[in-house]
Amino acid sequence: QSALTQPPSASGSPGQSVTISCTGSSSDVGRYKYVSWYQHHPGKAPKLIIYDVTERPSGVPDRFSGSKSGNTASLTVSGLQVDDEADYYCYSFADSNQYIFGTGTKVTVL
Amino acid sequence: EVRLVESGGGLVQPGGSLSLSCVGSGFTFSNYYMGWVRQAPGKGLEWVGRITHKADTYGTLFAASLRGRFTISRDDSKSSVYLQMNGLKSEDTGVYYCAAESWYRFIDWGQGTLVSVSS
Repeated sequence: QSALTQPPSASGSPGQSVTISCTGSSSDVGRYKYVSWYQHHPGKAPKLIIYDVTERPSGVPDRFSGSKSGNTASLTVSGLQVDDEADYYCYSFADSNQYIFGTGTKVTVL
Repeated sequence: EVRLVESGGGLVQPGGSLSLSCVGSGFTFSNYYMGWVRQAPGKGLEWVGRITHKADTYGTLFAASLRGRFTISRDDSKSSVYLQMNGLKSEDTGVYYCAAESWYRFIDWGQGTLVSVSS
């Protein structure tokens, strides 16, 4: 199965919002609620920031929010902070007991 | 504090084998599925596979493209999970992460270990 499609990059000034899309198909994002998002600062361990499309793990600020419509999931980062500059990946359960990551989006804080 | 520490990476020739280890601490290792994820240089994250806990009979799943070359095992007495990689190819080069999985999401990750496949 091919990777889920994300825009290569997104950017915003401090305090602004950015939204990252994650497009799959009816075999993955569109079928299951098991979409999660990870923040990855290069050289460090990735970090779970959203699971089950909309849920936030404890300790993750409510500036991070998730949603889904059809075959596309989205991550919104509100009130951008310098430390939000990182790579972001979506991840979904898929048919045939497979798991798929998105292509990744590099978020730049201007 | 949850910690996952991978080891075993290094340089291996094409066609060779390598075994990676990951030791967990700070959580009840035996209660979690454990997975492996890799990242090729300059590329995104790629799911490799995972192993369930004992209650689900240590079942394994792998990315379709890797099936047959990679195996995953675990030793709960050592809080460890292993990734055995055979028939390595240059495209297997990358950083390999282990991660604790719960309900279709990775809740904690290690820092990764680098595997280089080259002659």
